[in-house]
Amino acid sequence: AQKITQTQPGMFVQEKEAVTLDCTYDTSDPSYGLFWYKQPSSGEMIFLIYQGSYDQQNATEGRYSLNFQKARKSANLVISASQLGDSAMYFCAMRQNFGNEKLTFGTGTRLTIIP
Amino acid sequence: ETGVTQSPTHLIKTRGQQVTLRCSSQSGHNTVSWYQQALGQGPQFIFQYYREEENGRGNFPPRFSGLQFPNYSSELNVNALELDDSALYLCASSVKTDENTEAFFGQGTRLTVV
Repeated sequence: AQKITQTQPGMFVQEKEAVTLDCTYDTSDPSYGLFWYKQPSSGEMIFLIYQGSYDQQNATEGRYSLNFQKARKSANLVISASQLGDSAMYFCAMRQNFGNEKLTFGTGTRLTIIP
Repeated sequence: ETGVTQSPTHLIKTRGQQVTLRCSSQSGHNTVSWYQQALGQGPQFIFQYYREEENGRGNFPPRFSGLQFPNYSSELNVNALELDDSALYLCASSVKTDENTEAFFGQGTRLTVV
């Protein structure tokens, strides 16, 4: 069984500062993918970044980077130069390879950017 | 815009009634998954359809059922609604390959059961 743990229910960050959102995972699958999604109050889940379990380098997408530490089973999201529009819920998720497309989500972190 | 649309956006139903939620997948995507997101929680996997066949199911009772049509649009049906069924229902479409690919989510349907 797969499990995602997000231990920060809420975070407040000053605008333009960097922020790290924590995510740890548990799986017995040797091949898997890790995802981060942003969910604004409108409800839609917006894909941010993906990391494959065999990827040697940490994934980056613009201001988003994923700090992947496989031995520690952690996949933290780093947002650089935060903006007011970054205020939202953030979910870490996992999907096993070679199976169905089921995503297992954590409980999320509510990020609030302070002007 | 993800190209995935869900209808309706909001819905209020009475306990015991039946409801049908709809999802139009992104063009070319042959896989659709449905998730239930209760208030303050992460989404929970309900089931997935691949080429019109159920391809995995989460821990939900049989009164949650689905369909996928030849054009890859999809329906989620819930019978005998209970108060705890109140949630945001999300559908996600993707292309099934051997490697992980991004799933594109719709904006969700907010169901309230009274």
